[in-house]
Formats: sequence, structure tokens, C-alpha cells
Amino acid sequence: DTGVSQDPRHKITKRGQNVTFRCDPISEHNRLYWYRQTLGQGPEFLTYFQNEAQLEKSRLLSDRFSAERPKGSFSTLEIQRTEQGDSAMYLCASSSQPYNEQFFGPGTRLTVL
Amino acid sequence: AQKITQTQPGMFVQEKEAVTLDCTYDTSDPSYGLFWYKQPSSGEMIFLIYQGSYDQQNATEGRYSLNFQKARKSANLVISASQLGDSAMYFCAMSAAGGTSYGKLTFGQGTILTVHP
Repeated sequence: DTGVSQDPRHKITKRGQNVTFRCDPISEHNRLYWYRQTLGQGPEFLTYFQNEAQLEKSRLLSDRFSAERPKGSFSTLEIQRTEQGDSAMYLCASSSQPYNEQFFGPGTRLTVL
Repeated sequence: AQKITQTQPGMFVQEKEAVTLDCTYDTSDPSYGLFWYKQPSSGEMIFLIYQGSYDQQNATEGRYSLNFQKARKSANLVISASQLGDSAMYFCAMSAAGGTSYGKLTFGQGTILTVHP
């Protein structure tokens, strides 16, 4: 399978714990995006990378959130000191060009107890 | 800032009939792209169709077509010959075609489509 993969698919954590999610984009795609989706809503943009450079961060991304794409390949999204409001589906997407369609991974569903 | 509005929370259609899902948008960007994605109950986002703001013709992809009316700022999705497998949430999205937000998608609230046999 050469699509976008995300790991883990599900994560249950206690409030205050740190969590890290991984995204592996389609190999030749240099653009990588993170979105967050809560139940019944459309995805909301969090941040994106052009190769290893993080080009934009949403105001939704508080100081507790950090994302990296160290070698321009896979990316990680870390949430520190999780809160119940962080419970959501975290979606990763990649594209070969900014004007091309984005291909989404299956998402990581986070539940903060 | 960009905004997508989908005013139909839910739509029902009989199998084999056509259905139109509405999408209006607002943007100050002179150049932009419009997208439709399908999200089945399993959760994955599936790309359906794309329309560039300067494209002269409406986009088509198999049973999907995009009815683009630039002056009205609408980008409705038309699904012909509906199938049971079309039952899903459908999202309209847009992206600027330049500047720092180039490529970033702004999504609407979605429309749940149910296809009846």
C-alpha cells in the first residue's frame, strides 16, 4: 500500500499526559498537512510542511502542540499536557504540489479521559 | 480569509437517481481551487473532484460533476446514478492558489448523504 499511513490509529490517554502521532506521506509528496476533525464537523487546518520546513501554523495550534518533519519524509505531531478538549481525529494529508489534491491518511483518533 | 458553507446537513436520494449537494464559498483570493471529498463511516477522506477558479469548463470525474458558478460563488457537487455505496458525509473545501496559505484546505460543515434502495 503506497497511500498515507498514520500511527497509531487510536490513542486513549489520561489528561495531562503527552502523546505523539506519526504520519508517513506518499513517498514523492513534498507537502504534508495536519488537520483536526471533531465529531460532526469538517476538518480544521493545523499546520503544513513543504519538505522539512514548517510554513504555517494555525491559531488552533497552541503552545502545547508541536509538529516536525525532520528529513522531509515522515512527520510527527506531539501534544503535551493533553486536555479533554484535545479529543478528536487527527488527520494527515500529503500532496505533490500545493494546487493538487491532498491524499488523506486514515487518521489517529485521540480520546483524552 | 476563506469560508465554505454547506447548508444541507442531510440529503436523501433514491438509488439510481441524481442528487446535488450545495456548496457556497467566500474568499478574497483572486485564484483558488475547489474540492469535494467523501468521508464514509469508516473515516477516511476520499478525494472526488477538483475545480480551479480559472477553469472554463465544469469538472467531471465519472459519476461526479461540479457545477461551478463563479459569479454566485457556488460549487455544487452533482452525483449521477446514485449507488448505495455513495452513502457518506461529503465535504466541500477550498484552497488559495497562492501566498502563504497556498494549498491549505478550508472545509465546510459537510452534508450527510443517504441513498435509499
